Amino acid sequence: GDSVTQMEGPVTLSEEAFLTINCTYTATGYPSLFWYVQYPGEGLQLLLKATKADDKGSNKGFEATYRKETTSFHLEKGSVQVSDSAVYFCALRGGGADGLTFGKGTHLIIQP
Amino acid sequence: EAGVAQSPRYKIIEKRQSVAFWCNPISGHATLYWYQQILGQGPKLLIQFQNNGVVDDSQLPKDRFSAERLKGVDSTLKIQPAKLEDSAVYLCASSLSNSGANVLTFGAGSRLTVL
Repeated sequence: GDSVTQMEGPVTLSEEAFLTINCTYTATGYPSLFWYVQYPGEGLQLLLKATKADDKGSNKGFEATYRKETTSFHLEKGSVQVSDSAVYFCALRGGGADGLTFGKGTHLIIQP
Repeated sequence: EAGVAQSPRYKIIEKRQSVAFWCNPISGHATLYWYQQILGQGPKLLIQFQNNGVVDDSQLPKDRFSAERLKGVDSTLKIQPAKLEDSAVYLCASSLSNSGANVLTFGAGSRLTVL
């Protein structure tokens, strides 16, 4: 079945550092790919998405490119802020009428 | 637009007791999902409804969990009897349809603690 693997956390960075959170997936067909974020005490929020190969999703300075050849959807940001501290989940949705399949989440901690 | 509403936000029960969670999706969203998120893990799909029909309940422990969406709008998830390992956050989500590109919008969740 479908699965998502993302890097283990916590990831601790200093403010203004460059961020990469790796995500790879296994799926049949052509899934849509998502990054969701969960801020402390809040629910899951969509951060960005990409629905086909080579698409780049972007939002709030975060970017991720759908790479079919490497089955990856790595999340990047050029300069992180303390307010980016949260848990980030990579997820995919299969081409059929499926729900989302999530990775285990990566806890990001940004220190001032 | 109003978001996905869930209640209660928190519930503490003893093992073997029962509990019910309620979800009201975004107006007009045909597809409704219940997820279970155990601490330190990603959410796991329990059941998916399309209007008032079940699309996928393959990961729902049917000996103790049940869910319904009788009028195709709000939904209830029940656990009876609860076990210690059911301690988790139960997330409800909805989407306009079950098309792969459609975004799921999540509620704040209902945190269950089983003692």
